[in-house]
Amino acid sequence: GENVEQHPSTLSVQEGDSAVIKCTYSDSASNYFPWYKQELGKRPQLIIDIRSNVGEKKDQRIAVTLNKTAKHFSLHITETQPEDSAVYFCAAVFGGSQGNLIFGKGTKLSVKP
Amino acid sequence: GAVVSQHPSRVICKSGTSVKIECRSLDFQATTMFWYRQFPKQSLMLMATSNEGSKATYEQGVEKDKFLINHASLTLSTLTVTSAHPEDSSFYICSATRGSDNEQFFGPGTRLTVL
Repeated sequence: GENVEQHPSTLSVQEGDSAVIKCTYSDSASNYFPWYKQELGKRPQLIIDIRSNVGEKKDQRIAVTLNKTAKHFSLHITETQPEDSAVYFCAAVFGGSQGNLIFGKGTKLSVKP
Repeated sequence: GAVVSQHPSRVICKSGTSVKIECRSLDFQATTMFWYRQFPKQSLMLMATSNEGSKATYEQGVEKDKFLINHASLTLSTLTVTSAHPEDSSFYICSATRGSDNEQFFGPGTRLTVL
């Protein structure tokens, strides 16, 4: 079946450093790739998304890059802050579906002050 | 805009009882609604996809007779966990899409604990 692989599962950085999380997907028809931040017991919060007609998108300290040929996309967080600590999930829309999202397993990011 | 609510936020029930969870799009008409289950320290797993007035499409391994989904209107979908057992204890989250856009708007989730 369709799959999204996410690495690393845990990531610890010092405040101010950059954090990078990488995902690969299997469905070449996928065309929408959102990233979510989830705090314990809360709903996933969309932080940035990218569509297949764009290679890179940036929003302040957050950026996402997409390589459709290699079927991978990455989340980049610069100048990390303690409040960035959370679990981050990547996802990809399953091609041909009604917009079904397949989620990666998540990355627990810890930003140490 | 694009607010999704869920009710209840938390429910504790006895084994063998049924529990209904409501998901509402408050300020838009949802094209499609999705139901997810999330166990502790795990990712979101899609359970089913539903559209107003039609039968839900269940993911492989999800029992449709156990997890009943009703999508009666463009703003309301319900998930009923029938004959709940302790292994059904989980965080259930719904989401909805608007128009032809793929972006999903998530509800706040329902924490189900079955004793």
